[in-house]
Amino acid sequence: AQSVTQLGSHVSVSEGALVLLRCNYSSSVPPYLFWYVQYPNQGLQLLLKYTSAATLVKGINGFEAEFKKSETSFHLTKPSAHMSDAAEYFCAVSETDAGNMLTFGGGTRLMVKP
Amino acid sequence: DAGVIQSPRHEVTEMGQEVTLRCKPISGHNSLFWYRQTMMRGLELLIYFNNNVPIDDSGMPEDRFSAKMPNASFSTLKIQPSEPRDSAVYFCASNRGQGRNGYTFGSGTRLTVV
Repeated sequence: AQSVTQLGSHVSVSEGALVLLRCNYSSSVPPYLFWYVQYPNQGLQLLLKYTSAATLVKGINGFEAEFKKSETSFHLTKPSAHMSDAAEYFCAVSETDAGNMLTFGGGTRLMVKP
Repeated sequence: DAGVIQSPRHEVTEMGQEVTLRCKPISGHNSLFWYRQTMMRGLELLIYFNNNVPIDDSGMPEDRFSAKMPNASFSTLKIQPSEPRDSAVYFCASNRGQGRNGYTFGSGTRLTVV
């Protein structure tokens, strides 16, 4: 069975500081991994995804994530936070060849201080 | 591509009334998902359709909730009778039937039951 754990329901950073949002997954088979972003009063938008190609995945708005099999992690980073990055971020996992179900983490709310 | 279209964006109704939420998936997407999002419970999968057939409705909270997908371009989620605890944001998402594609989400319907 697949599962996702996002450490820290709230993360606060200063504008210009490094953003690090943590995601650990559990999967019995090689996974597909996703990060979604949800801005206030909007739906979830795909930020980036890992589908067994390069382990370092670049997404929109300067975000990237690295798949580390040994650590079962897929942490999301951005070198320099911008005020517009304030949002909720969801990590999700889908097991390969196991149908069409994504399992979402509980979300991390990113706050950016001026 | 107009994306996943949900209507209405906002719905305020009185307890006991019937509420119908609507969703139009992306053309060519054969899987459709209904989610509910609340502060307390986060993002919950309610029901999943594949090729217009309900595959997994284990997340539907109770018999007051029902969902239909009469054709590939339209789905409804109905609550009858509605209760204040049903107040939430309801999202519809669609994809091409493989987990590796992730989901495309609509903008959601914010339901308030008073």
